[in-house]
Amino acid sequence: GPKVLQIPSHQIIDMGQMVTLNCDPVSNHLYFYWYKQILGQQMEFLVNFYNGKVMEKSKLFKDQFSVERPDGSYFTLKIQPTALEDSAVYFCASSPDNANTEVFFGKGTRLTVV
Amino acid sequence: QQQVRQSPQSLTVWEGETAILNCSYENSAFDYFPWYQQFPGEGPALLISILSVSNKKEDGRFTIFFNKREKKLSLHIADSQPGDSATYFCAARDNTGNYKYVFGAGTRLKVIA
Repeated sequence: GPKVLQIPSHQIIDMGQMVTLNCDPVSNHLYFYWYKQILGQQMEFLVNFYNGKVMEKSKLFKDQFSVERPDGSYFTLKIQPTALEDSAVYFCASSPDNANTEVFFGKGTRLTVV
Repeated sequence: QQQVRQSPQSLTVWEGETAILNCSYENSAFDYFPWYQQFPGEGPALLISILSVSNKKEDGRFTIFFNKREKKLSLHIADSQPGDSATYFCAARDNTGNYKYVFGAGTRLKVIA
């Protein structure tokens, strides 16, 4: 079936540095999402993105976070600067539209901030 | 404040039994409820889903029972198999604003052969 690819699968970064998580969504999808999952806990909504714009973001989407999809390429989540509490698995998801359709998730990027 | 609650946190059943996973919610704006199955190291994959206008949805061994009045739903896995061992997330779509999905904390299911 359709696949959302996330690169890299694991990234270790020093606190205070910038990190960019890359997501290659399903090709004809228009809605994109980032979720954060701390080990053993639920997935929490960070942000959704449509037509080049952030549609909605949660309180977890701090000022240090930003998303973009330049020229229809990767959908990226950038954290600058990183903090220890940003350590988590970040899941990217995409869907064709926002009504009654499956949201496809990637396998996640495990971010470790040390 | 959790908008979607799942119970139990973990569940162990014998092979062949029916596993029952529960989910409840508070927001009346939720109108679509997908259940996702997640294996360790993998992303969540859609298993089965239901719209709030229905009270039952069946797909093979998986059945969702939905009670809109009580804001409760449950996932029944009949004839459980060891391969069903995974974490199951109940999610809910908010049909106001930008259709974001809210996830429960998950139920970790273990099926013993």
